[in-house]
Amino acid sequence: NAGVTQTPKFQVLKTGQSMTLQCAQDMNHNSMYWYRQDPGMGLRLIYYSASEGTTDKGEVPNGYNVSRLNKREFSLRLESAAPSQTSVYFCASGAAINEKLFFGSGTQLSVL
Amino acid sequence: DAKTTQPPSMDCAEGRAANLPCNHSTISGNEYVYWYRQIHSQGPQYIIHGLKNNETNEMASLIITEDRKSSTLILPHATLRDTAVYYCIVGGAKGAQKLVFGQGTRLTINP
Repeated sequence: NAGVTQTPKFQVLKTGQSMTLQCAQDMNHNSMYWYRQDPGMGLRLIYYSASEGTTDKGEVPNGYNVSRLNKREFSLRLESAAPSQTSVYFCASGAAINEKLFFGSGTQLSVL
Repeated sequence: DAKTTQPPSMDCAEGRAANLPCNHSTISGNEYVYWYRQIHSQGPQYIIHGLKNNETNEMASLIITEDRKSSTLILPHATLRDTAVYYCIVGGAKGAQKLVFGQGTRLTINP
C-alpha cells in the first residue's frame, strides 16, 4: 500500500497563476483533509471531506477550493495564487471518527 | 474543539524516558487526546490516542489524569530518531475528525 500520495512534491508559481494539488489514498478511508504549514508553525486545516460527496471549510479556507472526486481522491485548487499561499501543503486521510490520520509527504509550494 | 498548551521545547538524554506534558483543561467529556509527531519536514505521524484510560502501544505510553485536564506522553527509551516536534491535540468527538494542530513541543534527544 502506498498510503497517502501527494503530487507534485514541489511547485513554483507566479502570482495569479492557478494550479491543483492532487491527493489520493488507497486505504479506503472515508475522511480526507488538506492542511497547510507555514515555516515554524503548526498545521492549519484548509478544507476537509467527511465522506465522498461532502466538503467543509476548515480554519483557513480563503483562496482555495476543493473537490472530493471519489472516495480515493481529494484535490486542492488555487485559482489565483498569492505570495501568502507560499507554504507546505499536507493531505491526510482517516477511516472514521476518532481514528488516526495518515499524512502524505507534502507539497512545497512557492508563489513569487 | 478544546485547545492544548505544551512547552515549546524540551531536551532529553538518549536512552532515558522522555515525558512530554500537555494541558487541555477545557476538554469535553467525549473528546479524545491525540499525539502526533513531525520529523523534519515530513508529514505528521500518529503516535497514540486515548479517551480516559492510560494507553500503551509499541511507540509510547499515554497517561491521562483522572480529571482529563492534562496528559503526558512517555517515550520509554528515547533515541536520536525521536527528535521531532510533538503535537498534543484534543477533538474528534463528533462529525469529521477536525484536529487542530498547535505549535507543539520541539523535543531534542541528545547523545
